[in-house]
Amino acid sequence: AQSVTQPDIHITVSEGASLELRCNYSYGATPYLFWYVQSPGQGLQLLLKYFSGDTLVQGIKGFEAEFKRSQSSFNLRKPSVHWSDAAEYFCAVYTNAGKSTFGDGTTLTVKP
Amino acid sequence: GAVVSQHPSRVICKSGTSVKIECRSLDFQATTMFWYRQFPKQSLMLMATSNEGSKATYEQGVEKDKFLINHASLTLSTLTVTSAHPEDSSFYICSALTSSRYEQYFGPGTRLTVT
Repeated sequence: AQSVTQPDIHITVSEGASLELRCNYSYGATPYLFWYVQSPGQGLQLLLKYFSGDTLVQGIKGFEAEFKRSQSSFNLRKPSVHWSDAAEYFCAVYTNAGKSTFGDGTTLTVKP
Repeated sequence: GAVVSQHPSRVICKSGTSVKIECRSLDFQATTMFWYRQFPKQSLMLMATSNEGSKATYEQGVEKDKFLINHASLTLSTLTVTSAHPEDSSFYICSALTSSRYEQYFGPGTRLTVT
């Protein structure tokens, strides 16, 4: 069965520092992968997606992610974090019939 | 970009009453919408798949008679929580499937509090 693991429940980084959020997936075929961000009390906003092609994908708000098939990973990165990036981040893998399986999320705290 | 709205954003109701939550795709047609429930500090739990013009498909463990879903048009799906109880208090989020059939766009969520 498809699954997504986000190993880090909570990450704290200083403003201006680089960020990497980890995501590992389990999927039998070529995965379609997503990263979403959720601010408190809000819905989810799509940051970026990977369907095929270049394994390094660029998203909104300066985020990027790299698909590594050999490691079953799709880690999210940002070179310099801003205070407004503090939020909950979810990795997801498309499963079937339009559905996706979501990870448990990683809470990002940004220190001034 | 694709925009999905939800109404209301917050609702407080008394135990035993019913509450209806609307989910609309504003600038695209969505034959499929999803309803999720999210508890504090937790991930999204898929409740049901709403298909325009047909019955919703519920995930295992979700009471279909309690959570009524209607998808009467290509831009509107509604979730009615019937005979609500305090344990139904939660954050409910809808999403709409885009024409690619792989991407979902999410609504801003509805905070339901049952007193």
